[in-house]
Parts: sequence; structure tokens; C-alpha cells
Amino acid sequence: QKEVEQDPGPLSVPEGAIVSLNCTYSNSAFQYFMWYRQYSRKGPELLMYTYSSGNKEDGRFTAQVDKSSKYISLFIRDSQPSDSATYLCAYEGTSYGKLTFGQGTILTVHP
Amino acid sequence: NAGVTQTPKFQVLKTGQSMTLQCAQDMNHNSMYWYRQDPGMGLRLIYYSASEGTTDKGEVPNGYNVSRLNKREFSLRLESAAPSQTSVYFCASSLISGGAQETQYFGPGTRLLVL
Repeated sequence: QKEVEQDPGPLSVPEGAIVSLNCTYSNSAFQYFMWYRQYSRKGPELLMYTYSSGNKEDGRFTAQVDKSSKYISLFIRDSQPSDSATYLCAYEGTSYGKLTFGQGTILTVHP
Repeated sequence: NAGVTQTPKFQVLKTGQSMTLQCAQDMNHNSMYWYRQDPGMGLRLIYYSASEGTTDKGEVPNGYNVSRLNKREFSLRLESAAPSQTSVYFCASSLISGGAQETQYFGPGTRLLVL
């Protein structure tokens, strides 16, 4: 069983839609949870991080963590064509700095 | 402030050839990382360097070597390239190796094709 499972998509939505991206994980040692965004032919960039169960908002983006279910989500409200990218969930456990990434979900927001 | 830079951007190798991927950061970060990204596999850590003078294996180190030349530079070497090493390679850096608050900053990547 992979430590992190992420639906690779691709996911295609119309502009203005609410997008839900999800990851599940199996390693209880994971303590920190992140979402990275990667535009085509670019390196990933950190979008959001959290270390506790619950919700964290940043503008149109909300990260949700449920440690009891080992499940994290990223919601994008009022999606824009500029949100078209690959979204990677990532986890950090007890080995500081060593991240475990999901496979990435390819999102396309069409006008 | 260029952030993390990688050279070359693209390379084609024949099986058995060797090459070195270069990475440099100008953010005075202590920790540096090498990842590979393959379709359906996400990013996998090859090697990392928590600080100048130290290197450690990641998830997929076989077939690779690294050198932390100084605080700015971290190179990845393929001694005898194999088709299985066809991938996109990313270098990243963070201020220190400790906690998610230390964001990892990624370079633009090197696309490697091994024939």
C-alpha cells in the first residue's frame, strides 16, 4: 500500500466552480500537511500547509485535515483558469525536511 | 534574487553515459534536496543535504551520487545512466531542515532522457 494516495484526475471544471482535491495517507507519523501547486513545466510551489485537524483558509483556498480518517482535502472556491495546474499533497513526518508527495492531480479550469 | 537555479534544462544521454546535474540557490538556505518526478509517481526524494558537509539518502538513491560543494551548490551525478533514470529532476532548498514552516523552494527542473 502506498503511503499516500491521490487521484491523478485529470479534473476539468468550468470557471467559477468549486473544486475539491483529496488525498489519503496511511502513515500515522505524518504530522505536517501541505499542498503544492505546479504549473506546466515549472517546479512546485507551496500553496498551503497545516499541522492540525480542521480547516485553514487562505483567500479562495481552504485546506482541510482529518487526522482520525487520515484524509486531507483542498477546496478552491470560484475557480479561475489561472488555477489550472497540478496539485500535489505532501506530508512530513518525524524526519524533518523529508516530504512524501502524492501523485498529483491535474486540474483544468476552462473559461 | 534568482532563487533555485538548475542546469541544464534538458539533456539526452545514451545508456552508460555519465552526467552531473547542477543546482544552486542564492537564498542562504542550509538544506538542499534532489527529487525525481515521474508520471503517476509524484515527487520522490533521491538525496538530501541537511547542512553544508552532510548528505543522506532519500527514497530512491540507487544509481545516483551527490556532492554538497558549498552552502549554495548541490550537484547530482549519474555515473552510468540507464533508461529507468529518464525523468524530470528537481532541486529544492529550505532554510533549515526542521518542520513544515520551512518551505521548500523548487528549481525549474531538468528534463533527462536516457536512450
